[in-house]
Amino acid sequence: DIQMTQSPSSLSASVGDRVSITCRASQSISSFLNWYQQKPGKAPKLLIDAASSLQSGVPSRFSGSGSGTDFTLTISSLQPEDFATYYCQQSYSTPLTFGGGTKVEI
Amino acid sequence: QVQLQESGPGLVKPSETLSLTCTVSGGSINNYYWSWIRQPPGKGLEWIGYIFSRGSINYNPSLKSRVTMSVDTPKNQFSLKLRSVTAADTAVYYCARPIADYSSGGAWGSWGQGTLVTVSS
Repeated sequence: DIQMTQSPSSLSASVGDRVSITCRASQSISSFLNWYQQKPGKAPKLLIDAASSLQSGVPSRFSGSGSGTDFTLTISSLQPEDFATYYCQQSYSTPLTFGGGTKVEI
Repeated sequence: QVQLQESGPGLVKPSETLSLTCTVSGGSINNYYWSWIRQPPGKGLEWIGYIFSRGSINYNPSLKSRVTMSVDTPKNQFSLKLRSVTAADTAVYYCARPIADYSSGGAWGSWGQGTLVTVSS
C-alpha cells in the first residue's frame, strides 16, 4: 500500500494568512494526487485533482503543486470559510489511500 | 447534476452484516467506477472499494474478506455489504463518484451526504 503522510496535522492561522500543507507519498505517484476539503458533518469536497488542476468553482486562492512523492496545497490568503480539514489522496494504485488530514484552525 | 444518496440501517449488531445502498439520480450509473468510503467518528477517510457499472470490482485488502459490492443498473443503485462487523466498523459511510467516467483512481467529485452506521448490541 502507498502511505500518504500529511504535515502538519493541525495548524492555527488567521484570515489573510498564506497557508501551505504538505503531503508525502511512500513511493512515487507521479501526479496522481488529489486534495479535498472537509467541513464538520459534511462530505469531503474535491478541490484539486492531478496535483494541480483546480476544480470548477473552487476559488483561485487554492493551488496545488508537486510530483513524484512530495506535494503541496497552498491557500494564498485564508478566508473564514477555509477553516476546515484537508486531505490528500493518491489515485496511482489501489488500495486508494488518504493522508491523515490537516485541520486548519483559527 | 448527479446526486448520490446512501440508505440503510443506522444500527447494526456485532457479528451481523452491514448493508447500504447508494441511489444515483440526475445521471446514469453507466461507465463510472462507484466507490464506498468510510470515516470513523473523529478520524480520517478509508477507501473500502469500488465497483464499475459493468461489474468489475476492487476491494481494499484490509476489508476484502468481509466486503461484497454489487450494482443494479436498471435501478441506478449500487450496494455495499460488510459482514461480521465489530465496533471498529462504526463510521460514516459515503458513496462517491469520480469526476471522469472510466476513471478508477478516485478524484471523487460527487459524494453522498454520508450515513452514520453504529455497531452496537
